[in-house]
Amino acid sequence: DQQVKQNSPSLSVQEGRISILNCDYTNSMFDYFLWYKKYPAEGPTFLISISSIKDKNEDGRFTVFLNKSAKHLSLHIVPSQPGDSAVYFCAAGLNDYKLSFGAGTTVTVRA
Amino acid sequence: KAGVTQTPRYLIKTRGQQVTLSCSPISGHRSVSWYQQTPGQGLQFLFEYFSETQRNKGNFPGRFSGRQFSNSRSEMNVSTLELGDSALYLCASSLDGRSSYEQYFGPGTRLTVT
Repeated sequence: DQQVKQNSPSLSVQEGRISILNCDYTNSMFDYFLWYKKYPAEGPTFLISISSIKDKNEDGRFTVFLNKSAKHLSLHIVPSQPGDSAVYFCAAGLNDYKLSFGAGTTVTVRA
Repeated sequence: KAGVTQTPRYLIKTRGQQVTLSCSPISGHRSVSWYQQTPGQGLQFLFEYFSETQRNKGNFPGRFSGRQFSNSRSEMNVSTLELGDSALYLCASSLDGRSSYEQYFGPGTRLTVT
């Protein structure tokens, strides 16, 4: 049962524009949400996170928004850079020593 | 400080065989989690260990098992391999294992079952 879903398998964006990645979840008990970025032949690396008590968290070019009523999470990357081309995974946890991941969105930043 | 290391990086096995994968966490990290990544499925949680104890387990058959040693290094074993076990197996370590603590991933072991 996929509790975290990323419905867009891919996203293409022009350099300098905004990238918006979306994530939906079904378990209203999730209390922590994270985004990871993965390059080929490397493991995922942590990008940004947000607690369920917040609705926005910002770190440089990356901002995560949480809409608990809609069970929806989004990641905004502004401005997008060529080095942002990667697979992005959304994850959610209950602090039960387990993370549930989405299937990933492949972002391609065009020059 | 050194990152999470996984050995071997690549492995080819035949159906019915068994395999053992190894993970060395970041120094000081006591939690180790294992994930299976297949195309279109994202990362599927296998299990998590802390101080040699399994604290959570994903929905995988009993052919998948793991253990953690006193130095926090971890191994996972898959017995009676099936073609569907072909995947990238990722190990992640963290201080505590709770979702609020950042997990650091290794590069993964690519297992191919023929």
